[in-house]
Amino acid sequence: AQSVAQPEDQVNVAEGNPLTVKCTYSVSGNPYLFWYVQYPNRGLQFLLKYITGDNLVKGSYGFEAEFNKSQTSFHLKKPSALVSDSALYFCAVRKTGANNLFFGTGTRLTVIP
Amino acid sequence: EAQVTQNPRYLITVTGKKLTVTCSQNMNHEYMSWYRQDPGLGLRQIYYSMNVEVTDKGDVPEGYKVSRKEKRNFPLILESPSPNQTSLYFCASSLSQGARGTGELFFGEGSRLTVL
Repeated sequence: AQSVAQPEDQVNVAEGNPLTVKCTYSVSGNPYLFWYVQYPNRGLQFLLKYITGDNLVKGSYGFEAEFNKSQTSFHLKKPSALVSDSALYFCAVRKTGANNLFFGTGTRLTVIP
Repeated sequence: EAQVTQNPRYLITVTGKKLTVTCSQNMNHEYMSWYRQDPGLGLRQIYYSMNVEVTDKGDVPEGYKVSRKEKRNFPLILESPSPNQTSLYFCASSLSQGARGTGELFFGEGSRLTVL
């Protein structure tokens, strides 16, 4: 079975400060890991993914995420938060060869001006 | 423009009245999927399709049907809607999944369904 945990429902950060949105996963074998962002009244948009290789992956809008196999984590980070980063963020995992993505429950990020 | 288009975007209906939510993609994607989004539960997969005429159940398929007669279309059918199907529904597509795929999903804008 595969699962994803996003332990924080809500993350608040001041504009200009670094942000972290946490994600841990449970899957047998090698995982494919994804981050998506959802702005109000919109569908989800792909941010970045880890498939293999370098543990630090860079994505859209200045976001990056670090794959940590020993801690089974894939935290999303950004060095300097913008107010426009305020949105709902979803972590997702897929087992190698599986047919579907399994999503976490989402973390609402609010960047305070 | 590459996109996934869902219709209707908003719908209020009554218990038992059959409805269909359409989904169409213009990217020639093999894989398509339906999710529902509920507060505190995130996204849960209803059905998915690996290709034309190939569909399979996701995590919450009860009360839903799908079909994939053409590559671009993947309608979601609620034969007899009930209030617990009130939700925000998303269609998504991907070039491929499974053993051959590492592709990300492209999502539609969502369809908010209310069943009274």
